[in-house]
Amino acid sequence: SQQGEEDPQALSIQEGENATMNCSYKTSINNLQWYRQNSGRGLVHLILIRSNEREKHSGRLRVTLDTSKKSSSLLITASRAADTASYFCATFQGAQKLVFGQGTRLTINP
Amino acid sequence: DAGVIQSPRHEVTEMGQEVTLRCKPISGHNSLFWYRQTMMRGLELLIYFNNNVPIDDSGMPEDRFSAKMPNASFSTLKIQPSEPRDSAVYFCASSFGTRGEGEKLFFGSGTQLSVL
Repeated sequence: SQQGEEDPQALSIQEGENATMNCSYKTSINNLQWYRQNSGRGLVHLILIRSNEREKHSGRLRVTLDTSKKSSSLLITASRAADTASYFCATFQGAQKLVFGQGTRLTINP
Repeated sequence: DAGVIQSPRHEVTEMGQEVTLRCKPISGHNSLFWYRQTMMRGLELLIYFNNNVPIDDSGMPEDRFSAKMPNASFSTLKIQPSEPRDSAVYFCASSFGTRGEGEKLFFGSGTQLSVL
């Protein structure tokens, strides 16, 4: 079963705009991770946020975590064409079983 | 660092044939994961190893699937016999396996498997 569920499934915006993707999960977590997948490629780790953190930044990425609502969001500011990809959240079911959501397909239009 | 290396990049085979996918994890990583990705089912964890020992293979769909990790630098995923519904992209990933940042996974480029 999917632990994380992303919303929306697809998002299309203009270059320069901000993109926000959401993730909900079901069980308690130690951390939550976000990954990016370019077409035809493997997943690339973007950011890990621990359960005791509420917000984390990395360059143009901002991740928030609300453990009371079992949800997280990924914000990409000042989007670029190169940000076009699928974005996945992932959480652990058990010790090392990292489970991914279905992903959000992000398209940045020039 | 060359990253996680998978081979072959593409595999086309006929139903009933044996398929072997290969993976070389990042040196020093203690955990190795095999995932399968399809449009219908998304990313599914098939099996993972810790220190070369299989820990959880509950995601392996059938007895036709088997995975081995004979040493810290090599793993195989075998499908015998293969069926058209096995067509998917198979990813191998590795990590340090330690709590926190060590739980980040590094993925290979995947093997695109087509079973005709």
